[in-house]
Order: sequence, then structure tokens, then C-alpha cells
Amino acid sequence: QITLRESGPTVVKPTQTLTLTCTFSGFSLTNSGVGVGWIRQPPGKALEWIALIQWNDNRYFSPSLKNGLTIAKDTSRNKVVLTMTNLDPVDTGTYYCARGLQSYAPRSGYYTLFHNWGRGTLVTVSS
Amino acid sequence: QLVVTQSPSASASPGASVKITCTLSSGHSTYAIAWLQQKPEKGPRYLMKVDSDGSHTKGDGIPDRFSGSSSGTDRYLTISSLQSDDEAEYYCQTWGTGIHGVFGGGTKLTVL
Repeated sequence: QITLRESGPTVVKPTQTLTLTCTFSGFSLTNSGVGVGWIRQPPGKALEWIALIQWNDNRYFSPSLKNGLTIAKDTSRNKVVLTMTNLDPVDTGTYYCARGLQSYAPRSGYYTLFHNWGRGTLVTVSS
Repeated sequence: QLVVTQSPSASASPGASVKITCTLSSGHSTYAIAWLQQKPEKGPRYLMKVDSDGSHTKGDGIPDRFSGSSSGTDRYLTISSLQSDDEAEYYCQTWGTGIHGVFGGGTKLTVL
């Protein structure tokens, strides 16, 4: 059974750094084609893609967010850590981690879709 | 740049069928998408992948009432024999040309 669980602070002050950890089980981030990503959702709004790290250590970031973002994996402990610097109240929302699987289509290349999701963790940015 | 568009809302009666659309911007007709279901206060649930040729691959335990299809830059999720439990927000997700993921804005399905 595949599970993912997000953990981290529930409240962060503006300008501070947010560190979130995704702890997963039921799969390995050393297997070809596997990735773990982060997605967020402001209250009452749509999902927003943040970042992805793959089995081969390739990393991808949202163009609108990538300044101040880092993502790293610890395959021996089955964890992925997301760091976001210089937080603002607009960063308030529920943060999800998800397991992604890479596929290939001849005319669009490689792509990763999220198949398994955690329950999310609510982060509030407020002074 | 890839833009993904969904109608904000859809509705249908119990027992009826509904078709939800995810439209990819021009030039992205070959892109596959994933359909996700999200109920209030819950994390999203993967329903299926829909390829540009209309084939779809469902996630574990997804009922036969859920199916996917494609036409041009449109990707569809059809739910037949609607149940009250199908009331949820439905999102599509794909992969942008800038080497990053993209979500649609979501469609809120109401079962009347």
C-alpha cells in the first residue's frame, strides 16, 4: 500500500523559511520513472504545482515560484524535503506531496503525472 | 506556453451522465492528462490518465462508471449513473512545455 504524509509547521511568519517533509512508504524513489512532488492549494482555490524530484535526481520547479525553492530526497529514509524562502501571506494554503510516474509520448516527450497523494498539511503565513 | 482550462461548474441528476472537459491550449493536442477527484477537506484522488488518442488507464479501484476520452485539445471525463457520492471538485493535470506540471482550475460537480 502506497502512503504519503506531509509534516511541517502550521504557522510561519512572513519572510521566514518554510521546510516541509514528505514521508512515504510502499514505493522506492530509486525506481526508474518514479518521482515525488509538491502541490499547494490556497483556501477555496485550485491546485497549484510547485516542484518535483525524480529517481535520477532531476528537479523541476514552477516558473512562477522557483526563486527560493529547493527540493531534496533522502532515499534511505523515504523522505522528500521542500524548502521555500521568504514566505508571504499569499503562500497560505494546504500543501500536498504526491507520488508521480513518468511516461513518454512521441510528440510531447517525457511527462510526470501524480498518482498517489497525501492528506495535506495546512500552512498559515501570518505575523 | 501551455494553458489548461476547465469550466468552473457542472451539474446533473442522480442516475444521469455528465461529461467534464479539460481544454489544452493550441498546439498541445498530443498531451496526456490525469483526472483527479477532490472532496471537501480531502486530498485529491487519482482517477485516470487520458492519452491524446482517447485511450485511458484508470487507477486502482476506480469504478467502471468513470471513463475518459479525447478530441483534439479537449480531454474528457465522463461519469455515468451519477451518485450523490460523485459530488466533488474535478481537476485535470498535465505537463507544461516549460518542463513543469500544470493543473486546470477545477470543475465543481453538483449532483442535483
